[in-house]
Amino acid sequence: SQKIEQNSEALNIQEGKTATLTCNYTNYSPAYLQWYRQDPGRGPVFLLLIRENEKEKRKERLKVTFDTTLKQSLFHITASQPADSATYLCAPRDSSASKIIFGSGTRLSIRP
Amino acid sequence: GAGVSQSPSNKVTEKGKDVELRCDPISGHTALYWYRQSLGQGLEFLIYFQGNSAPDKSGLPSDRFSAERTGGSVSTLTIQRTQQEDSAVYLCASSGTGGTEAFFGQGTRLTVV
Repeated sequence: SQKIEQNSEALNIQEGKTATLTCNYTNYSPAYLQWYRQDPGRGPVFLLLIRENEKEKRKERLKVTFDTTLKQSLFHITASQPADSATYLCAPRDSSASKIIFGSGTRLSIRP
Repeated sequence: GAGVSQSPSNKVTEKGKDVELRCDPISGHTALYWYRQSLGQGLEFLIYFQGNSAPDKSGLPSDRFSAERTGGSVSTLTIQRTQQEDSAVYLCASSGTGGTEAFFGQGTRLTVV
């Protein structure tokens, strides 16, 4: 069956450092992989999408990598800030017509 | 509307009662998703509507749960004979044709007492 694994433990990072979150998947052949951010009491918000033929994608302080051989995506936040503290969810997707299944998320805390 | 709208935002119901949760997706979005999120947990997929195709109901936890999408727009999630374990936040999302990004509503917090 399909499985998505994200860092199960919360991640605590010193402000200014780079945070790296991991998303591993099995039994998917994703055409793309999405990352979302969720703040307490709110619905998830889309951050970035990376396609299967892309190795890396950047948006401001965010960088996502996608290794279809390792079946893994890494999500990096550089120069982290306390405002980056949230839960981050990954979602590999076989096509735009398939349902979106999310990983359980990684809770990130950036301490001043 | 400007975003995905869910109502009510909060619902308290007695065990055994039926509840209906409503989702108004972004106008023109063909895909609509329902998820359940228990306290401190991840998003549990419930059901997915895509255009005129038969919905993917593979995530519905029991036959007490059902959902409809009328006219390809508004969706209603119905939970019959509610149980305490149904208490959670129910989130709805929509995305456009060939769309990749899902837009979420604020959710309905359901409490079964």
